[in-house]
Amino acid sequence: QLQLQESGPGLVKPSETLSLTCSVSGGSMRSSIYYWGWIRQPPGKGLEWIGNIYYSGSTYYNPSLNSRLTLSVDTSKSHFSLRLSSVTAADTAVYYCARLSVGSTGGDAFDVWGQGTVVTVSS
Amino acid sequence: QSVLTQPPSVSAAPGQKVTISCSGSNSNIRDNYVSWYQQLPGTAPKLLIYGTDKRPSGIPDRFSGSKSGTSATLAITGLQTGDEADYYCGTWDNSLHTGLFGGGTKLTVL
Repeated sequence: QLQLQESGPGLVKPSETLSLTCSVSGGSMRSSIYYWGWIRQPPGKGLEWIGNIYYSGSTYYNPSLNSRLTLSVDTSKSHFSLRLSSVTAADTAVYYCARLSVGSTGGDAFDVWGQGTVVTVSS
Repeated sequence: QSVLTQPPSVSAAPGQKVTISCSGSNSNIRDNYVSWYQQLPGTAPKLLIYGTDKRPSGIPDRFSGSKSGTSATLAITGLQTGDEADYYCGTWDNSLHTGLFGGGTKLTVL
């Protein structure tokens, strides 16, 4: 059974870079029908799509974050990562990693989620 | 304000049926698959519906999804107190080139 686990600092200072890693276990990242994604949820608010990455490294980013966002993948280590630069208090949120199943089989849905990790931006 | 519009809250009695709407546009809902997620308090979202109207293994048939034009609907029948949660719709937008979630709907089972 596929499992995802986020890891990274829970506290980041304003203007610095937020870095998170999602470790994938119980399955392979190298499949043509999956992307690997990040979603965040500010306190008391709804879900926001951050971006997706394919095992080959191709990416889709939320345009509102594009200038600050970098996603990367390392299939040999079964993990993918997020870097968000120049963070502010508005980036405080629970950050989730998830598997996106695409096409007619997967229906373009996030079908496996990590438990989430809280990131607070504060000095 | 979300590109996909959901009612902030809905409520119904145990055993009844409730529907949650998700309104979008041609570039998102009409032309793409819709998914629905259930988020219980303090937990990660859980996939309820994928491919607009399909249920993952383990999701009871009390939950169903549909779409007409630029709007999608999640229906829940035989409401149970355990269904109290936040529900989100999701899809892709071909014009914005981004994934989208609705603002979420809080379901209360009275």
